[in-house]
Amino acid sequence: EPEVTQTPSHQVTQMGQEVILRCVPISNHLYFYWYRQILGQKVEFLVSFYNNEISEKSEIFDDQFSVERPDGSNFTLKIRSTKLEDSAMYFCASSPAAEQYFGPGTRLTVT
Amino acid sequence: QKEVEQNSGPLSVPEGAIASLNCTYSDRGSQSFFWYRQYSGKSPELIMSIYSNGDKEDGRFTAQLNKASQYVSLLIRDSQPSDSATYLCAPERTGGGNKLTFGTGTQLKVEL
Repeated sequence: EPEVTQTPSHQVTQMGQEVILRCVPISNHLYFYWYRQILGQKVEFLVSFYNNEISEKSEIFDDQFSVERPDGSNFTLKIRSTKLEDSAMYFCASSPAAEQYFGPGTRLTVT
Repeated sequence: QKEVEQNSGPLSVPEGAIASLNCTYSDRGSQSFFWYRQYSGKSPELIMSIYSNGDKEDGRFTAQLNKASQYVSLLIRDSQPSDSATYLCAPERTGGGNKLTFGTGTQLKVEL
């Protein structure tokens, strides 16, 4: 059964550094998403992406964040200058229409 | 008022019993509703979707939706220890970005 994959599984970075989190959505899905979950808190929506552009973004998704689909398979989330409060699990999800399927996540630790 | 409200639990049920998980939501624009299961340290796993009022059954799971009451529930029949997890309710407002708004989840413990 096709799955969403994410790399790396764990990323440690220093405050102020740039990170890129990578996702390979399920092939033939058209909608792509990033969510995050701070330890012990609920899953929060960051951004949705369709037809090579952002459909919707949350207040969390400020100018430090960007998304890109550089080729036909990858979907990336870039954080330009990481802060301590960016430490969280970041989940990529993809959808053919309504139902969203999540990847295993990348644990980002900012020190 | 929180966008999505769930009892955080833990909800403890004996093995073989029915577990009943409830969720209320505030956005009347929500059209689609999803239940996810999340094991500790893992990602959300989609287990049920429901789009219209009434019941929808899939194996041991039954989702119930009442849009007038802004209420959605999940019943798990014949609960197993492997069902022990946090269950997340996620309404989706169709259109625009189709974002999911998650509740904090209900922790279910199925005891032997």
